[in-house]
Parts: sequence; C-alpha cells; structure tokens
Amino acid sequence: QVVLTQSPSASASLGASVKLTCTLSSGHSSYAIAWHQHQPEKGPRYLMKLNSDGSHSKGDGIPDRFSGSSSGTERYLTISSLQSEDEADYYCQTWGTGIQVFGGGTKLTVL
Amino acid sequence: QLQLQESGPGLVKPSETLSLTCTVSGGSISSSSYFWGWIRQPPGKGLDWIGSIYYSGSTYYNPSLKSRVTISVDTSKNHFSLKLSSVTAADTAVYYCARHGRSSSGRWSPVDYWGQGTLVTVSS
Repeated sequence: QVVLTQSPSASASLGASVKLTCTLSSGHSSYAIAWHQHQPEKGPRYLMKLNSDGSHSKGDGIPDRFSGSSSGTERYLTISSLQSEDEADYYCQTWGTGIQVFGGGTKLTVL
Repeated sequence: QLQLQESGPGLVKPSETLSLTCTVSGGSISSSSYFWGWIRQPPGKGLDWIGSIYYSGSTYYNPSLKSRVTISVDTSKNHFSLKLSSVTAADTAVYYCARHGRSSSGRWSPVDYWGQGTLVTVSS
C-alpha cells in the first residue's frame, strides 16, 4: 500500500516563499496526489490535484500564490508571498479505487 | 456552493455506538460523479479515512475499522450517516464528512469538499 511522508514542520517569513514536500513510497512515482490546507478551527480546504508530470488543477478560489510541482516520488506545494493566514497544517493525499490515504501533515509557521 | 454539515452527539460512552450524520446542501447526493466519505482526526494527530459511500449504497471502508463501521445514505434527505460501534477513548477525534469524485470508469479522485468537522469525545 502507498505511504505518504511529510516533514512535521516548516517555517518561512511573511512575504517569502516556502516549498513543502510530500514523498510517495517507493514504486509509486506515477501517483497523483492532492494538497489540502487545514487552518485552526476550520474544516480542511482542498487546494489542488497534482499529477506526476507536475500538471495541477486547483480548487475553487485558490489563489495563484499556491502552485504544485513533481519530481520522481516527490510532490511539492509552493506558497509564494506568504501571508499570515497561510499558517496552517498542510496535508497531502492520494487514492486508489476503494481507499484514500493521507500523509501525516506539515505544520507551517509564518514568521 | 456545496456545503457539508456534520451533526450528532459530542459525547459517547465507551463500548457504545457513535452516530453522526452529514447533511449536504447546494448539491445532490445522488450525483453519479461522487462518493461521500468520513474522515477523522484524533487530537494532535493526522487525518485518517474511515470510509466512503456511493448514492446507490455501495461502500468502502478502511480495513483497520471495517469490523466496527457502517456508513449509510438517505437520498431523500440528501444526507449520509456514520455508525462506529464499540468505541473506546482511541476513537475520540474530530470527525469530518467530505466528498470525493468518481469517474465513469469507476476511478476515484481526491476529496474536494469538506465539512467543518465535529468533535466526538469518548468518555464515561
């Protein structure tokens, strides 16, 4: 079964950019993933679906500051021009028919 | 705009059954393009998929919970429900309902809408 690995924490300064990583387990480099943002006291929010070739499709109303890219088994979420409201947990997710799998999440702190 | 809203008791006693309902508004639960699912987050931990249901009643469950979980759908009320039996303190979590896609070939796609979540505490 596929496993998604994320660093527990990341930090970056207000106005800067940050790149979060989600790593697929070996043998699953063709898998697409999704990125979700989970702000405190809110339900998670779907950000985008990210394919293995780096193409991605964003959810409704997701700003251009959020982008995705891929390399091998790594899937990235880049947030540019960081704002205070970007401080949140970020989860990657993948799926197969009959199963949904989530990574452990990365807590992003905006300094 | 699609909205999902969880409802149900916030406190459940150990060994009893946890029951939650997710009411869908702004869209039809009978759409052939989507599954409807439950996901939970224990305190301080990550997200864990519980299971999903299609409007026809077809279900898929996380193998780790399968023996205790039942998900059902009521298309007339545009809602779906979760029952988790024999709960313990380890089932204390925020429970989210969510939607994910299904293509005409049956392939799944990611969760694209989430509810706000509801905290369920298991305690005597």
